[in-house]
Amino acid sequence: QVQLVQSGAEVKNPGASVRVSCKASGYILTSYTAHWVRQAPGQSLEWIGWINTNNGNTKYSQKFQDRVTITRDASARTAFMELSSLRSEDTAVYYCANLFYDVLTGYQFFDNWGQGALVTVSS
Amino acid sequence: DIQMTQSPSSLSASVGDRVTITCRTTQYINDYLNWYQQKPGTAPKLLIYGASSLQNGVPPRFSGGGSGTDFTLTISSLQPEDFAIYYCQQSYNTPVTFGPGTRLDIK
Repeated sequence: QVQLVQSGAEVKNPGASVRVSCKASGYILTSYTAHWVRQAPGQSLEWIGWINTNNGNTKYSQKFQDRVTITRDASARTAFMELSSLRSEDTAVYYCANLFYDVLTGYQFFDNWGQGALVTVSS
Repeated sequence: DIQMTQSPSSLSASVGDRVTITCRTTQYINDYLNWYQQKPGTAPKLLIYGASSLQNGVPPRFSGGGSGTDFTLTISSLQPEDFAIYYCQQSYNTPVTFGPGTRLDIK
């Protein structure tokens, strides 16, 4: 079973950047996509983007395209999400998650999640 | 982006009750619909994928149905541990999107 362990809570000033890490352990394929999803207090879930941990390819939500960078250290099985130009609306729990893809059916779903990292943006 | 709605937004029920939550999408998504359960302070947990397939380890009192734009999640006999928030999510295209959630409380 794959486990995803994220870095801890962060408090940032408006305009700053934050970097959250996500380390995978346990059985893992050589190539998988690490996704980032956030959840503002009392709100639903919002997809930010993903990275292919094998080749480093990324895809971002248009909403975050200009402010987010997702990277990985393949040897350390760790993915990173950096969000810049933070504003109060970015206060949220940021999750990493693995997307399982069933090649036979085409079904895709998030079957493993990190514990979440609370990012608070406040002056 | 595909928008999603859920109804009801909140629901009060008793242990042993049968409850159904509905999820609708603004576009056809075939059966690329997943359901998650989230309890306070924890990450979402996958219950159902492909609209009706039960994830390993999930009790069979949970079931999903639907196709196209209308989907349901049914809990046949509520247990105390089922009181949580439930989200639907489409994986038909990018960006993946989630419903607003249905809060299930104890009556």
